[in-house]
This record gives sequence, C-alpha cells and structure tokens, in this order.
Amino acid sequence: AQSVTQLGSHVSVSEGALVLLRCNYSSSVPPYLFWYVQYPNQGLQLLLKYTSAATLVKGINGFEAEFKKSETSFHLTKPSAHMSDAAEYFCAVSAGGSNYKLTFGKGTLLTVNP
Amino acid sequence: EPEVTQTPSHQVTQMGQEVILRCVPISNHLYFYWYRQILGQKVEFLVSFYNNEISEKSEIFDDQFSVERPDGSNFTLKIRSTKLEDSAMYFCASSAVGELFFGEGSRLTVL
Repeated sequence: AQSVTQLGSHVSVSEGALVLLRCNYSSSVPPYLFWYVQYPNQGLQLLLKYTSAATLVKGINGFEAEFKKSETSFHLTKPSAHMSDAAEYFCAVSAGGSNYKLTFGKGTLLTVNP
Repeated sequence: EPEVTQTPSHQVTQMGQEVILRCVPISNHLYFYWYRQILGQKVEFLVSFYNNEISEKSEIFDDQFSVERPDGSNFTLKIRSTKLEDSAMYFCASSAVGELFFGEGSRLTVL
C-alpha cells in the first residue's frame, strides 16, 4: 500500500524566492513518484516524475525534485518563483511498472506574492 | 497536442438520479482511469480499465458505479443513483506508457 503526506496545505512565497513544497511517501514496494500541478479550472498536469532512474529529476517550468529513499521524501523545488507558478501542487505515488493507480497527497496551494 | 476531453464540465443533478460522465481519451492510449476529488480533499483513485475490462477498482467504486467503453473513442462513468456525497470533481485519465494524461474534470453537484 502507498500513501503520501504533503506538509503544508498552503505555501506563500515572494516572486523570485525559492519554492519548496514538501512531500513524504510510504510504499511497500519501490515507488514511482510524481508531482502534478493544477491551475484554476484546469486538469492535472504532470510536472515531473521519478521512475527509479536518476534521483534528481528535472521537470517543466524550472521545477525539480530529489528522491531521497532514506528520508522517504520527494520534495519539489524551484530556485526562483514566478507569478505564473501560483497553483495547487499534488504529490503522488504509484507502485510502478505499468500500474498508474496513483495515490495522491492532499495538495499544497502555492501563492506567489509580487 | 493530444488531450483528454471530458463532458460535461459541470452537471447539477437531484439525489437519486443517474448521471453519465463522458471522456474521450487520447487515441492511442490503452489504459483508462477515473479519479475524483471531493472539495477540499485528496484526488482519489476510483477505477482503472484495460482491454475492455476493469483492471482495478477502489472501495469507493461500489455497485452504484460502472464504467464502459461503448465505442472506440468514449470512456464513460455512470453513477446509477446519485447521493449527496457523490458531489465532486471527476477526472478521467489515460495512458500509454510513461505518464497519465488527465482531462480538465467534470464537476458533479448533487442536490
């Protein structure tokens, strides 16, 4: 079984500041990990994914995440926030392979202040 | 760019009524999914569908729910007799290999 915990339901940063969204997971098998972004009134868009290759994963829009097995974490970062990054971000885990039954975290709403 | 499309974007229905939510997955994808998100809660897996049958379903997906791929393009979720607690955003997704592509969702409001 898998589970995801996203610390902080709401994160607020200033434009240009570092973005750090935290995700911890639990999985009984080697996990695949994902970050999705949801803009208002839109669907879920994949930002990046970890599928057991490189532990530092780069995604779209300048985001990256690092898989740390010892910490069971997959935190999402971006060096410099942009106003357009304001959205809800979801961390998700699956059992891997062709199994895309995703278990999602509750989401973190990112606000970017001018 | 290919995308998953869902209709309707918003449906309001009375408790006890049947609802059908429709999805057109990306054309060469073979795996199809429904997820739902109750307001303020997590996105939850409902069901996965492959080779014209359900491959996995969650405990949420009880006898009131059914899925169908009636033709080569549509993938539908039917709720037989809606309850107030079925009010949610329902997301369809499809995949080939590599990632899930989600639609924009269908918001269901049950009164």
